[in-house]
Amino acid sequence: RKEVEQDPGPFNVPEGATVAFNCTYSNSASQSFFWYRQDCRKEPKLLMSVYSSGNEDGRFTAQLNRASQYISLLIRDSKLSDSATYLCVVTNSGYALNFGKGTSLLVTP
Amino acid sequence: DVKVTQSSRYLVKRTGEKVFLECVQDMDHENMFWYRQDPGLGLRLIYFSYDVKMKEKGDIPEGYSVSREKKERFSLILESASTNQTSMYLCASSFLRYEQYFGPGTRLTVT
Repeated sequence: RKEVEQDPGPFNVPEGATVAFNCTYSNSASQSFFWYRQDCRKEPKLLMSVYSSGNEDGRFTAQLNRASQYISLLIRDSKLSDSATYLCVVTNSGYALNFGKGTSLLVTP
Repeated sequence: DVKVTQSSRYLVKRTGEKVFLECVQDMDHENMFWYRQDPGLGLRLIYFSYDVKMKEKGDIPEGYSVSREKKERFSLILESASTNQTSMYLCASSFLRYEQYFGPGTRLTVT
């Protein structure tokens, strides 16, 4: 079983819609959680860290559920520029990141 | 602003050639990483280094080696390139366990 699993999508949503992605992880000892964004043919970039208390950055909200071992990303009022692949990332005790395969989002006019 | 640079954006090599991919970061980060990214497989860690001359195998180290002689530079070496090593190679650096910053990637084609 892969350590980090995501629905690959694609999620096709109209502009202005709210969309949510979930990601599950298998290691209950995982320590840190992130969402990265990767545009087509570009490198991944950190979108936001995910804290136990949840966190919000503008239109983006990330939640962590340790009991069920999943993290979520909610995007409100989707923009065309939100079209990208969203990567769920988990760290354990070491320095390496464990990446999910990504969820593809396409926001349409 | 953190900058991670990679020596080439596109590279074409022949089977059996020795290939060097170079990565340089300018933020004095201790940790550096090499990944490859393939459609349907996502990002997979090849090797990482947490200090000069130190290295650790990642998930798929076979067929690769690395070198870190200076803190800012991390090299990935394909000793004898094979067609199944055709991929996008991404280098990253980080300070401790914080955010990883990625370079723009090298798209390697082995013919």
